Amino acid sequence: GENVEQHPSTLSVQEGDSAVIKCTYSDSASNYFPWYKQELGKRPQLIIDIRSNVGEKKDQRIAVTLNKTAKHFSLHITETQPEDSAVYFCAASGRIQGAQKLVFGQGTRLTINP
Amino acid sequence: KAGVTQTPRYLIKTRGQQVTLSCSPISGHRSVSWYQQTPGQGLQFLFEYFSETQRNKGNFPGRFSGRQFSNSRSEMNVSTLELGDSALYLCASSFNPGGDTEAFFGQGTRLTVV
Repeated sequence: GENVEQHPSTLSVQEGDSAVIKCTYSDSASNYFPWYKQELGKRPQLIIDIRSNVGEKKDQRIAVTLNKTAKHFSLHITETQPEDSAVYFCAASGRIQGAQKLVFGQGTRLTINP
Repeated sequence: KAGVTQTPRYLIKTRGQQVTLSCSPISGHRSVSWYQQTPGQGLQFLFEYFSETQRNKGNFPGRFSGRQFSNSRSEMNVSTLELGDSALYLCASSFNPGGDTEAFFGQGTRLTVV
């Protein structure tokens, strides 16, 4: 079944610098890769997603890249701001025992230092 | 459009008791998934319901069960509670099943077992 590994588990960067979070997945049939942001005490919310027919997608300061051959995808945040501090989860939609479902990584706690 | 609503927000239960959590999805969404969130473990998939049928189940013991009603509202039940069941339980609704469209999360129910 699908397994998603996420690194690093914690990341601290200076305000204005870039942050990169990486994930690998195991199911080559996975076709949808969303990223969720969870601020302290709040619900996870989708910030960007990418499908397997696209290699890169960008939305303002956030971008996601996908390498299907290597089965890994990454989240890039540029010009980080204090409000980017949160836990970020990657996920992959893969098949478990015949039924497709969303599998999440373990999360990355991102801290932006002023 | 109202978001995903979970009730109650907080619960304190004693070991051995059972508990029922409720999730009302976004209007028009027929898929509801449940996740257990604990520190360091990310979001662990419990099960997914679509059109009143369980279409997928994670690796949790049989003490964890769920159901979905004709109006798409879903309930999750945990019987014979253990201390290790203390966690934030999140539900997510989506238009399509299988996790390949955006999932909208509720605020979660924080369960504490003492």
